[in-house]
Amino acid sequence: SQQGEEDPQALSIQEGENATMNCSYKTSINNLQWYRQNSGRGLVHLILIRSNEREKHSGRLRVTLDTSKKSSSLLITASRAADTASYFCASLERSNDYKLSFGAGTTVTVRA
Amino acid sequence: ETGVTQTPRHLVMGMTNKKSLKCEQHLGHNAMYWYKQSAKKPLELMFVYSLEERVENNSVPSRFSPECPNSSHLFLHLHTLQPEDSALYLCASSQDLVTYQPQHFGDGTRLSIL
Repeated sequence: SQQGEEDPQALSIQEGENATMNCSYKTSINNLQWYRQNSGRGLVHLILIRSNEREKHSGRLRVTLDTSKKSSSLLITASRAADTASYFCASLERSNDYKLSFGAGTTVTVRA
Repeated sequence: ETGVTQTPRHLVMGMTNKKSLKCEQHLGHNAMYWYKQSAKKPLELMFVYSLEERVENNSVPSRFSPECPNSSHLFLHLHTLQPEDSALYLCASSQDLVTYQPQHFGDGTRLSIL
């Protein structure tokens, strides 16, 4: 069953603006990961946040995790046209060592 | 270049055909995965292999048959497929089957069933 759900389903922003997308999940997790997928390509891992972490940064990416609300957010700052892609959260349930549960993704379009 | 190569990139086949998808990883990883990605749906995990041993068969119909001859190669053999099997099939690998390692994906095979 689907563990992660992203919100919004689609997002269109101007270059230079920030993009924020959210992910909710249902059960206790070990960690939560964010992936990017460009059109016609495979998924690329962006960042992993463990259940005992609250915030993590990587370049222009900022991920937060709120285990009490079972939610995570991905913020892309100062967006570029190259950030146009679909973004997926994937959660690793505590009850399962290796099965990532993916959401349906947020499609982000950055307008030049 | 992700280190995971999938061939072919596109495949069109009839429902009675038999074909195979190939995945090769150059990362020295021990775990490999097959996923199905359909439009507007979450990725569905199909099969998981660790050190060439299948550890997961996620209720996948028998018309999909995986094979892992060594830790670098993974195949998905297809026969008598249905139109609803049209999708992007993604292969991924990770160092091991442990919790804190990201998965590395290939670019997928776009499969169309006529």
